Amino acid sequence: ETGVTQSPTHLIKTRGQQVTLRCSSQSGHNTVSWYQQALGQGPQFIFQYYREEENGRGNFPPRFSGLQFPNYSSELNVNALELDDSALYLCASSPGQGLGYTFGSGTRLTVV
Amino acid sequence: GENVEQHPSTLSVQEGDSAVIKCTYSDSASNYFPWYKQELGKRPQLIIDIRSNVGEKKDQRIAVTLNKTAKHFSLHITETQPEDSAVYFCAATRSGNTPLVFGKGTRLSVIA
Repeated sequence: ETGVTQSPTHLIKTRGQQVTLRCSSQSGHNTVSWYQQALGQGPQFIFQYYREEENGRGNFPPRFSGLQFPNYSSELNVNALELDDSALYLCASSPGQGLGYTFGSGTRLTVV
Repeated sequence: GENVEQHPSTLSVQEGDSAVIKCTYSDSASNYFPWYKQELGKRPQLIIDIRSNVGEKKDQRIAVTLNKTAKHFSLHITETQPEDSAVYFCAATRSGNTPLVFGKGTRLSVIA
């Protein structure tokens, strides 16, 4: 069973609110990536952290921000939620150097 | 940046037949190509991957081929079974902590 865990599993928020999603990476993995997966679409890259530093960002506005902690767990924060932010948010961790990414089960965010 | 195209978007096969899903990528520096299977409501799971130093890799009923010159790679599933029904995603990346770029997915239905 995968060691990547995400919380919460489901969340309902109102437009304009803020949300924080959490991810615990697999033991030994120092790289964490966040993806947004809209219904019927492939995962879209939001950003990636390597040893507490952001080292890549996709085409998402600044209201999407993140953090990685010394234990390599990570948070995704989204401010000023919009209806289109409703999606499955996936966290994936990797031991680095382009090696296999392992996904968590995701957080399904619904914005109403 | 990298762009990954995946075809077809949907695929229906009879149980026991073979299924082939194709992807093309744009960044000639990409050298790692994983395939993920995602069942409804679940996380993407790595089923097979290939690096650019090999042209083909096989694992039981699943195989992946890579043509670096043409910048395309394919997933082959033989002797399909109903439990193979899922959405399959291809992805591409460079090594060195760069993020995965996904295709839009192929919904495979295996008809018993």
